Amino acid sequence: QSALTQPASVSGSPGQSITISCTGTSSDVGSYNYVSWYQQHPGRAPKLIIYDVSNRPSGVSNRFSGSKSCNTASLTISGLQAGDEADYYCSSYAGSSTHWVFGGGTKVTVL
Amino acid sequence: EVQLVESGGGLVQRGGSLRLSCAASGFTFSSYWMSWVRQAPGKGLEWVANIKQDGSEKYYVDSVKGRFTISRDNAKNSLYLQMNSLRAEDTAVYYCAGQSGHYFDYWGQGTLVTVSS
Repeated sequence: QSALTQPASVSGSPGQSITISCTGTSSDVGSYNYVSWYQQHPGRAPKLIIYDVSNRPSGVSNRFSGSKSCNTASLTISGLQAGDEADYYCSSYAGSSTHWVFGGGTKVTVL
Repeated sequence: EVQLVESGGGLVQRGGSLRLSCAASGFTFSSYWMSWVRQAPGKGLEWVANIKQDGSEKYYVDSVKGRFTISRDNAKNSLYLQMNSLRAEDTAVYYCAGQSGHYFDYWGQGTLVTVSS
């Protein structure tokens, strides 16, 4: 069982917006602004798309945005495209004992 | 172009050992914390261990403490993971990842470790 809770799947039509939630606790998501998100296409390595809750690395589309409220972080994908079909994982720093935790992943399907 | 290339995976019997390597290029390896992250077949990601830029600090997930050892050689731009007393639950693709902050910037393509029982 993963430390952070994500929905198993989310779907949307091209052009729509979808949001993926990532629920942790006051020991991880709630305590640190160190939530990151990763996109993983089948058979490929994960790719960083959001770091420190809401920052995008250079080269990542501005259709991806992140936010956080209390113990829950969210990733929003706007203007959904076929290429966005992938698994998405959230991660949070969880302090000097646990270090990093991940969510179980969310499969995004473009209808 | 940033590249992280893992090697050393394979099939090993329960209780056996393996040493994974990760060769880095395209970025200043010695300036990054480095991690190993694994993914069991069909499952999610799990952080395994990381090491400070100069190797002076190392941290591990509880399930591998005392069995796995992370190390690095900045002169060779390489990261290693020595895995002993392997268990079936260690079966996974192992990724090396570079960290410039509290996140994983760069990822390799992974190497598969299969522990047979």
